[in-house]
Amino acid sequence: NAGVTQTPKFQVLKTGQSMTLQCAQDMNHEYMSWYRQDPGMGLRLIHYSVGAGITDQGEVPNGYNVSRSTTEDFPLRLLSAAPSQTSVYFCASSLSRNGELFFGEGSRLTVL
Amino acid sequence: KNQVEQSPQSLIILEGKNCTLQCNYTVSPFSNLRWYKQDTGRGPVSLTIMTFSENTKSNGRYTATLDADTKQSSLHITASQLSDSASYICVVTRETGANNLFFGTGTRLTVIP
Repeated sequence: NAGVTQTPKFQVLKTGQSMTLQCAQDMNHEYMSWYRQDPGMGLRLIHYSVGAGITDQGEVPNGYNVSRSTTEDFPLRLLSAAPSQTSVYFCASSLSRNGELFFGEGSRLTVL
Repeated sequence: KNQVEQSPQSLIILEGKNCTLQCNYTVSPFSNLRWYKQDTGRGPVSLTIMTFSENTKSNGRYTATLDADTKQSSLHITASQLSDSASYICVVTRETGANNLFFGTGTRLTVIP
């Protein structure tokens, strides 16, 4: 009964380093998305996917890449980390675009 | 502009007491409104989801109301427990558009013994 699984839970990077946040869901959901959560702000959409092979930009996509080669997996790549990317990142999935969102437990990223 | 505003920003109540959290929105065209509970260090978990035609929905001790005319929603927590300490996030879905979810900044509830 895993739901949405994110790894790693914590990560510290130096400016300029790259890394990938992993996200996997076992509910056969078509819709998957990545959000970042910063103090005093609502969750902001980074990228989303409506199915395997289809991705699109959200509200704050700069500095991030995604791909969706399978229904289950939706990794988020930071190409060259910057201190402004210090945040908590959440992956979410839903059966449909307007359906109930199921969130992962989050990945806390610190960029020094 | 599509916005979701929640009040209060934070709230402290005694265990066993009731409380009400507010959510006002300007999102249009409206599709549904959701309330999520987010425990510290965890991901948000859905409490309720309401469409235009629903004005009340309950989930245990949580009761959400929706007034689509005034674009207001409230989340009422009855007989609070220590485990209710969390952030409560209001999310409004717009019927159209690619980025169609609008998140409030949340209300931080602390229940003290």
